[in-house]
Amino acid sequence: EADIYQTPRYLVIGTGKKITLECSQTMGHDKMYWYQQDPGMELHLIHYSYGVNSTEKGDLSSESTVSRIRTEHFPLTLESARPSHTSQYLCASSERQGGADTQYFGPGTRLTVL
Amino acid sequence: QKEVEQNSGPLSVPEGAIASLNCTYSDRGSQSFFWYRQYSGKSPELIMFIYSNGDKEDGRFTAQLNKASQYVSLLIRDSQPSDSATYLCAVNYLDSNYQLIWGAGTKLIIKP
Repeated sequence: EADIYQTPRYLVIGTGKKITLECSQTMGHDKMYWYQQDPGMELHLIHYSYGVNSTEKGDLSSESTVSRIRTEHFPLTLESARPSHTSQYLCASSERQGGADTQYFGPGTRLTVL
Repeated sequence: QKEVEQNSGPLSVPEGAIASLNCTYSDRGSQSFFWYRQYSGKSPELIMFIYSNGDKEDGRFTAQLNKASQYVSLLIRDSQPSDSATYLCAVNYLDSNYQLIWGAGTKLIIKP
């Protein structure tokens, strides 16, 4: 099982601010993911990475960007926060178990943009 | 048609009964099937996963695959109030490059 950390856990910020949501994992997993989830709604993949210097956009169009300079670190940045960015952001990493790629989630960051 | 579909619920089950949750999927050479539990305000946590070739039991939880009808089930025996949560189904398709395709989840309520 993975140890995945996200900071901050809660963030309230004003419109137009630049923010970075941190995600780190200690298990050496190559694959990492960012999801966005509104309360009571489904998960939406916004970014993923299959290793260092590899990043891809997910299914949900997002104004955020990500980087993967180190295996354990996968930060997500919003250059100019807007109220529409208010949501829960979940980071995950995965490992191959047998024939299945199993994802493990961090605790999430709940972002509120005023 | 969505690739992974779940009834949003809520599904209400009396304490001690068997809760049965279903998830239908598209036939795209599906490889493995996952069940996650998500409490309100928390992140999803893995319950179990199965491959295309068989069912699995883990404690009070059993995952079953019905290939002919293209659905996967999660059975929870001796349901407890602490099992009240949203249950997410996810499928790893052969052509999805290891990404999980997620259902929207079924909300389960266990009534004492």
